Amino acid sequence: NAGVMQNPRHLVRRRGQEARLRCSPMKGHSHVYWYRQLPEEGLKFMVYLQKENIIDESGMPKERFSAEFPKEGPSILRIQQVVRGDSAAYFCASSPMANEQFFGPGTRLTVL
Amino acid sequence: GQQLNQSPQSMFIQEGEDVSMNCTSSSIFNTWLWYKQDPGEGPVLLIALYKAGELTSNGRLTAQFGITRKDSFLNISASIPSDVGIYFCAGPLAGNNRKLIWGLGTSLAVNP
Repeated sequence: NAGVMQNPRHLVRRRGQEARLRCSPMKGHSHVYWYRQLPEEGLKFMVYLQKENIIDESGMPKERFSAEFPKEGPSILRIQQVVRGDSAAYFCASSPMANEQFFGPGTRLTVL
Repeated sequence: GQQLNQSPQSMFIQEGEDVSMNCTSSSIFNTWLWYKQDPGEGPVLLIALYKAGELTSNGRLTAQFGITRKDSFLNISASIPSDVGIYFCAGPLAGNNRKLIWGLGTSLAVNP
């Protein structure tokens, strides 16, 4: 059973471009979470999704950020018009229930 | 945002020594999770605790869920070089099992 997969592992964007981060949860997991981590800091919750539904987006910035988890395919975290402050590691986690969460390797976004 | 308090912030120990770290909160938790994160990787779940007073082991790791439900500790016995990394505690607030609240981590360095 493959673990949580994220791609790309590294993403470089110029200011104003769009960043699309993908997450494939573990097989059988219907809960997906996105987190952001800055260097030397813990993880900050962004959004919690189940298939086709956003359950909790209280950690998402109100502008430029969006997330989806379609019926088919990976979950997508989309950042429009990126700014330098968006540079961080973005982690996706999945769970079969809403407690134990299993993490992917992360996408490291660098905005030039 | 809400955060768990982890201590110590960092530790430098000799190989073979035992390690103890803890995590406290002003709020009650129904679940405590301990993760380890290696550089450039996502967090890996080490131990999950679900019941106040519960003591759970995973190899050389032992974790306990405090009876007040506001704290937890993690012990590592006979440390080895591969124990190096950052250890995070996390948990969903009681009544809200959707998103995890995280500590800032304990950074462990092991001198061989």
